[in-house]
Amino acid sequence: LAKTTQPISMDSYEGQEVNITCSHNNIATNDYITWYQQFPSQGPRFIIQGYKTKVTNEVASLFIPADRKSSTLSLPRVSLSDTAVYYCLVGSLYSSASKIIFGSGTRLSIRP
Amino acid sequence: SQTIHQWPATLVQPVGSPLSLECTVEGTSNPNLYWYRQAAGRGLQLLFYSVGIGQISSEVPQNLSASRPQDRQFILSSKKLLLSDSGFYLCAWIKRGSSGANVLTFGAGSRLTVL
Repeated sequence: LAKTTQPISMDSYEGQEVNITCSHNNIATNDYITWYQQFPSQGPRFIIQGYKTKVTNEVASLFIPADRKSSTLSLPRVSLSDTAVYYCLVGSLYSSASKIIFGSGTRLSIRP
Repeated sequence: SQTIHQWPATLVQPVGSPLSLECTVEGTSNPNLYWYRQAAGRGLQLLFYSVGIGQISSEVPQNLSASRPQDRQFILSSKKLLLSDSGFYLCAWIKRGSSGANVLTFGAGSRLTVL
C-alpha cells in the first residue's frame, strides 16, 4: 500500500463541514483510496472509497484531484457523533491483497 | 450474508498465562484474514495476516502466534502473556465492496487486560 500522510488531529463545531486531506504521492495506477472511521472500543468501519474525481454517499464525499496524489474526505454538517479517528488507506485492493498497514489517522473532535 | 465474529469480547488474564482469541468469518470462502492490536490511545498495529489455510505471515515477532486451521477461522495465541500484550485485538477480512474494490471489514474486537 502507498504511504499516506494525514493531519494528526482536527477540531470543529457541530453543523460545520469538515474536510480531512490525505497525501499519497506514490499512489499507483491500480490503487484505490479508501477511508475508514473508528470510534473508541470499536473496529474501523468503511466510510467511502474512490478512484478519481468525486464520490458521494449518504455519509460523506470524497474528492480526488486529477493527479490523484491527494484526496479529501468531506463530512457535511458534522455532529458530536462524528467525533472519531479517520484513516485513509491507498492500495490496489482488487487483487488478493496481503499486508495492510494503517497510518496514524486523524483524530477529529467535534464541539457543541 | 457475510459476517465476522470474534470472541471473547473481553478478558482479564494474569501475566504468564496463555491466550487464545478466535475469529470466524461466515458467508464467504478463502478470505484474507488479519489480526491487529490497538494499545490504549494508539493506532492499529498489524500483527498477522493469512491468505489461506496454514499460511501465516507475521509482522511483529513477539510472544504471540497465529494459526488458521480452517478456511474461515483465524486464531491468535500466546503461551505466556506479558503486561505489554494488553490492548484491543481486532480481526478483519477483505470483503469486496460495491465499487468492485475490496474493503477491509472488522470484527467487534477483543479487549485484553493483562495484570
